[in-house]
Amino acid sequence: QKEVEQNSGPLSVPEGAIASLNCTYSDRGSQSFFWYRQYSGKSPELIMFIYSNGDKEDGRFTAQLNKASQYVSLLIRDSQPSDSATYLCAVTGDSNYQLIWGAGTKLIIKP
Amino acid sequence: DAGVIQSPRHEVTEMGQEVTLRCKPISGHNSLFWYRQTMMRGLELLIYFNNNVPIDDSGMPEDRFSAKMPNASFSTLKIQPSEPRDSAVYFCASGIAGVVYNEQFFGPGTRLTVL
Repeated sequence: QKEVEQNSGPLSVPEGAIASLNCTYSDRGSQSFFWYRQYSGKSPELIMFIYSNGDKEDGRFTAQLNKASQYVSLLIRDSQPSDSATYLCAVTGDSNYQLIWGAGTKLIIKP
Repeated sequence: DAGVIQSPRHEVTEMGQEVTLRCKPISGHNSLFWYRQTMMRGLELLIYFNNNVPIDDSGMPEDRFSAKMPNASFSTLKIQPSEPRDSAVYFCASGIAGVVYNEQFFGPGTRLTVL
């Protein structure tokens, strides 16, 4: 069974520091990788996607992909209290529509 | 763009009653997904439509669940009869099939409570 693993947290990070979120996946055939943010009581929203090995930066967010080691990570620089949320990692499965979801990591940014 | 629209936002019903959840995807999107989210099981895909046709319904828990997409702008998820274990947040998401990055846009969800 294809799986996506995330530490459930909560991960507590001081305001202004770097938050590092990690995700491992089991299917070597996965091609696209996503990070969604979900505020409490709200729906998931896409914040980053990556499909090539290496780093991809977008503002304060950096996604890192290492296909050989089957992990993907999300770094949030200069963390703000508004970054406090659950971060869901998702990877493509057997078909081009299927996403396999992790259970999410709860991130808390302390002022 | 109004985004994905779902109704109702909250539904409280009694065991045995029929529940119908509604979704309007983003105009121009040809993929539609119904998900269920609980604390215990996380986000689970129930059914996937492509161009209004059900492609994968392997996540539908049992025959009490059914979904339809009569046209490109409307889909329903029906539970009949409902049971307390169906209590969850149900999300509808839409996207464009075939793009490399396969982004899915989520609606606000319907919080279902079955008493």
